[in-house]
Amino acid sequence: GENVEQHPSTLSVQEGDSAVIKCTYSDSASNYFPWYKQELGKRPQLIIDIRSNVGEKKDQRIAVTLNKTAKHFSLHITETQPEDSAVYFCAASSNAGGTSYGKLTFGQGTILTVHP
Amino acid sequence: IAGITQAPTSQILAAGRRMTLRCTQDMRHNAMYWYRQDLGLGLRLIHYSNTAGTTGKGEVPDGYSVSRANTDDFPLTLASAVPSQTSVYFCASSPATTGARGYTFGSGTRLTVV
Repeated sequence: GENVEQHPSTLSVQEGDSAVIKCTYSDSASNYFPWYKQELGKRPQLIIDIRSNVGEKKDQRIAVTLNKTAKHFSLHITETQPEDSAVYFCAASSNAGGTSYGKLTFGQGTILTVHP
Repeated sequence: IAGITQAPTSQILAAGRRMTLRCTQDMRHNAMYWYRQDLGLGLRLIHYSNTAGTTGKGEVPDGYSVSRANTDDFPLTLASAVPSQTSVYFCASSPATTGARGYTFGSGTRLTVV
């Protein structure tokens, strides 16, 4: 089945710095790539997503890039703030067949800590 | 009910006991999912349902069963709980069965099997 690898597992930055989290996936049929943020004790919440017909997408301080040839995608957070501290998950699914069809496969998560 | 609701919030369960985790959504989403979350392993799919009356196995289905009698409810049953099933369980739903839309997650059930 689909396999999603996420790195790093932990990331510590100073407030105002940028943070980058990277994911790779195995199923070439995957074409939908969301990112979720999970605060301590809370449910995961969708923060941004990208589809395979787009190489980059931005929403204020966050952006996601996708390289379908290399099968990797990344989350970029600029001007980080303490409230960005959370666990971030990448995921992949397919709406065009393949082992990831119709279901999200998640990465292992990245614990981001932003120090004031 | 607004969105997706899980019950109970937390539970301590003796090994060997049977338990059902409840999940209800009021968004009329076709697809529903059960994931377990363990530290360092992310979210792993247990079972899913693309529409009422159908279910499928995910990555880690052993020891769990589900049913989907109607659109709103998707209960997860542990027939005979074991300590390795200690985890946080999240139910999720999506309007698209193709997986090309984001999920809405419930607030989770923290289960401890002793």
